[in-house]
Amino acid sequence: DIVMTQSPDSLAASLGERATINCKSSQSVLYRSNNKNYLAWYQQKPGQPPRLLIYWASTRESGVPDRFSGSGSGTDFTLTISSLQAEDVGVYYCQQYYTTRPYTFGQGTKLEIK
Amino acid sequence: EVQLLESGGGLVQPGGSLRLSCAASRFTFSSYAVSWVRQAPGKGLEWVSTINGGGDNTYYADSVKGRFTISRDNSKNTLYLQMNSLRAEDTALYYCAKVAAAGTYWYFDLWGRGTLVTVSS
Repeated sequence: DIVMTQSPDSLAASLGERATINCKSSQSVLYRSNNKNYLAWYQQKPGQPPRLLIYWASTRESGVPDRFSGSGSGTDFTLTISSLQAEDVGVYYCQQYYTTRPYTFGQGTKLEIK
Repeated sequence: EVQLLESGGGLVQPGGSLRLSCAASRFTFSSYAVSWVRQAPGKGLEWVSTINGGGDNTYYADSVKGRFTISRDNSKNTLYLQMNSLRAEDTALYYCAKVAAAGTYWYFDLWGRGTLVTVSS
């Protein structure tokens, strides 16, 4: 199974600050034949289901504010929130879909406002 | 509105059974693989099972293999999860989630609100 490890486990940042969450996979999730990284990011606000933010490591889902961006390739990935807003509080998960038996998620990063 | 709506959760004793349902609306249900993903209280996301659009390919996490059965009725736009031999560690909020692109097993672009399963005596 591909193990996904996020860092940090929790993060507190001030409004307007940049917030960065890292995700590392135990093996590459880059599919060489199409040069795509099979990596997604989700946001989960308290009491809500996960919401897709980013797929293919860097493609923003429709309706997601452009302050959210994804980067990285192979085994190392980053979710960046360029200017933190109050509504961004929640838990963020990375997920690999390179192998789907099983799909695996990172353990989550809890983002709070300082 | 495109949505998934889970039901069927509840309190069940260890060793008992429960059947979850997930009703889909406003998209061509039969074209998409769908999955169950669970979240234990205060914990992260754990994939449970996936079924393809036609219903003839199914996949399970090792933790539920042999105890849970995923199925779908495309005529009713509904996904099911039959859970047998339930254990305390199966206690979780169970989400159904739709794969983003027809015919693939990619990321999930639509999630239901979940149904809570509690296994306790």
